Amino acid sequence: AQKITQTQPGMFVQEKEAVTLDCTYDTSDPSYGLFWYKQPSSGEMIFLIYQGSYDQQNATEGRYSLNFQKARKSANLVISASQLGDSAMYFCAMREDGGSYIPTFGRGTSLIVHP
Amino acid sequence: EAQVTQNPRYLITVTGKKLTVTCSQNMNHEYMSWYRQDPGLGLRQIYYSMNVEVTDKGDVPEGYKVSRKEKRNFPLILESPSPNQTSLYFCASTLRRGTGGPKNIQYFGAGTRLSVL
Repeated sequence: AQKITQTQPGMFVQEKEAVTLDCTYDTSDPSYGLFWYKQPSSGEMIFLIYQGSYDQQNATEGRYSLNFQKARKSANLVISASQLGDSAMYFCAMREDGGSYIPTFGRGTSLIVHP
Repeated sequence: EAQVTQNPRYLITVTGKKLTVTCSQNMNHEYMSWYRQDPGLGLRQIYYSMNVEVTDKGDVPEGYKVSRKEKRNFPLILESPSPNQTSLYFCASTLRRGTGGPKNIQYFGAGTRLSVL
């Protein structure tokens, strides 16, 4: 069974609007970390945001925020005020602190921002 | 500058010709890992290492070998490459658990695009 599920292969958003990229996860480890990475067309992996399983508040990093719903095992990425440069692949990943500690990734969501 | 360096960045080879993709990090990280990325499948773990001389299989280890003789280096070896190993490969590193704070993010190399004909 997949540990990380990203159900949106592709998303479109208008410039300056907000967009939510979905991510659900599955783990029995009480301590884990959730990550979002951005991969532009150039291919590099860019870390965006982190949420720990014990964090009480949703993580925010500039225009990125993570909507963490622990009971639903959901960790959606919200990008506010989309920019053309946000067009990229976005990957959700989970690290189980009691497991291998090497993150497992979802299949990714391709985001295209229209002018 | 803190970085993970992979070489080569691009490689075209033929079936059966042994190749090695090198990975080196300068951050004194204990944990290193290899992923392959394929369209629609995301990044999948190939092998990972938690210390010198300690390696473990990930989700898709068939057809690959690794070694960790030094802390900074973690080469990926394809002894007899096949076309289904055509992919984008990433090396990554991170500090061991319990250090580096709760976030302790992975640092990725720039990737190696491999084509096996």
